[in-house]
Amino acid sequence: GIQVEQSPPDLILQEGANSTLRCNFSDSVNNLQWFHQNPWGQLINLFYIPSGTKQNGRLSATTVATERYSLLYISSSQTTDSGVYFCAVETGTASKLTFGTGTRLQVTL
Amino acid sequence: SQTIHQWPATLVQPVGSPLSLECTVEGTSNPNLYWYRQAAGRGLQLLFYSVGIGQISSEVPQNLSASRPQDRQFILSSKKLLLSDSGFYLCAWSVQGRAFFGQGTRLTVV
Repeated sequence: GIQVEQSPPDLILQEGANSTLRCNFSDSVNNLQWFHQNPWGQLINLFYIPSGTKQNGRLSATTVATERYSLLYISSSQTTDSGVYFCAVETGTASKLTFGTGTRLQVTL
Repeated sequence: SQTIHQWPATLVQPVGSPLSLECTVEGTSNPNLYWYRQAAGRGLQLLFYSVGIGQISSEVPQNLSASRPQDRQFILSSKKLLLSDSGFYLCAWSVQGRAFFGQGTRLTVV
């Protein structure tokens, strides 16, 4: 099956810093999504981004499908950005969503 | 707007007992439905997905089963729980590709 690797696995930032999270996938995908899992376990859909660039406030994402990677940018990080960030890809005709390995982000004061 | 309900939020069950977790979606029709499991500190493992009533695809061999008796209802079951079934179970739905998750059920098998 498809492999979805995220880097870095762990990241510690001071409040106000910027960061880039990466998602690499091993095969062609129908779409790609980014999620944030907060410390209580809730998964929030951040972006649906099969290709191109999207922005939502301090967050933006870029997917280059032909090169099989996606990037999530977090600017001016806040403590509420802490948690785990997952990318997930959809493959085949059955809408199966495969999650990446995750990046655990901690934003400190 | 669409909402997803998953219950219970936490559950402690003895080894060998049965399990039934329910998930319902409101505000949409014919969604794709998913059950995921997340072990502590780990990624999400897809257990089952369904593209329609009565249509269930299983991703990993296990002692769990899933059913979709109605369009917007997805049930995860087990006849006899194992210690290794402990984890965080998440139900999700998607329409036109974008996925949304329920609050999750934290299951501890003792």
